[in-house]
Amino acid sequence: GAVVSQHPSWVICKSGTSVKIECRSLDFQATTMFWYRQFPKQSLMLMATSNEGSKATYEQGVEKDKFLINHASLTLSTLTVTSAHPEDSSFYICSASRGSVNEQFFGPGTRLTVL
Amino acid sequence: KQEVTQIPAALSVPEGENLVLNCSFTDSAIYNLQWFRQDPGKGLTSLLLIQSSQREQTSGRLNASLDKSSGRSTLYIAASQPGDSATYLCAVRPYTGTYKYIFGTGTRLKVLA
Repeated sequence: GAVVSQHPSWVICKSGTSVKIECRSLDFQATTMFWYRQFPKQSLMLMATSNEGSKATYEQGVEKDKFLINHASLTLSTLTVTSAHPEDSSFYICSASRGSVNEQFFGPGTRLTVL
Repeated sequence: KQEVTQIPAALSVPEGENLVLNCSFTDSAIYNLQWFRQDPGKGLTSLLLIQSSQREQTSGRLNASLDKSSGRSTLYIAASQPGDSATYLCAVRPYTGTYKYIFGTGTRLKVLA
């Protein structure tokens, strides 16, 4: 149980385009979802926390107008990177919590490359 | 501000060795601490979760301990195997009312056959 999927697993896009990444909890209802970013050989940095039906809470330094997060249902959250630039190239990982929010279950990640 | 550090940053050992990975955090007010494994280009696999009231957790060849007062956790891997080669991350959930995890810097482990 507690499986989280992400789609796509990798994406290559041109500079200036927008990219949407989906995060789904497959076998449980996720009251809270988290989006992380990981640069090569670095650790995960939390970008934002999203609760179903409400606006996401962004970490300091993360542009909310650039990284749009929607958590429309208890099993789906999306991250849209708007007007992507090469510096947005990174590994994006989502996680989901259920109920007690005591443990997070992580998705497999999405590799974004902006040319 | 909570900071999580892992030592060593990289480790290379021969197969069969027992080894210890270290994680330290600056603020002892945490809900729990979790150890993860990450293979290159992949997501995270949860290894062990230790609640703040617990001292250790075990799963197979893995044993994780938590000393909240000193801000330390260790991950012990017994009889290491080449398949254990990966990056190991620890993460703490601060007792701040939010649910976010703060990740350590990671230890890149290579077990040589």
